[in-house]
Amino acid sequence: NAGVTQTPKFQVLKTGQSMTLQCAQDMNHEYMSWYRQDPGMGLRLIHYSVGAGITDQGEVPNGYNVSRSTTEDFPLRLLSAAPSQTSVYFCASSNQGLYEQYFGPGTRLTVT
Amino acid sequence: QQQVKQSPQSLIVQKGGISIINCAYENTAFDYFPWYQQFPGKGPALLIAIRPDVSEKKEGRFTISFNKSAKQFSLHIMDSQPGDSATYFCAATSNTGKLIFGQGTTLQVKP
Repeated sequence: NAGVTQTPKFQVLKTGQSMTLQCAQDMNHEYMSWYRQDPGMGLRLIHYSVGAGITDQGEVPNGYNVSRSTTEDFPLRLLSAAPSQTSVYFCASSNQGLYEQYFGPGTRLTVT
Repeated sequence: QQQVKQSPQSLIVQKGGISIINCAYENTAFDYFPWYQQFPGKGPALLIAIRPDVSEKKEGRFTISFNKSAKQFSLHIMDSQPGDSATYFCAATSNTGKLIFGQGTTLQVKP
């Protein structure tokens, strides 16, 4: 199993551009989440999904959209990037609610 | 509002020493308290976790101590090794489905 995969690994955007961060898992996990990691802030939950077609907001959802059309994929969309969205983004999945989560390798995003 | 507070922010320990990281939480509905370990350039990985019905859990050199009345829990790393140098995050969650992380502690174990 590849586990949780994320693409791209690095991305630079200009303010106002849009992009989609991809996340996929091959463990048939029901639960998937997106976090952002900033220095001194720990990891903060952006959005999460408890199954295909079901999503909900986390702590910091503003500026991000998600959808879950399949069990395997959970893309994160930035519609109009802002410098405040410069961060490292992690996708995670779990088969027991949000208890034991498996994290992907991360995407480092810089917005100029 | 930071629901899980973690300290210290950074920690330097000599090889063979004990590393101690502390966390405090506010929400009494939390019922699962995991610790994650993260190496540079990698995603966090689950290290050890505890539920509030026990006061201590040990896995190898790693031990979680839990004080429900004080709403505090801590990670102890015995016989710390240079390979333990990483960032450690405590976290807490309940059946609402949101995992809340502490701010993280960067541990450096000197040989």
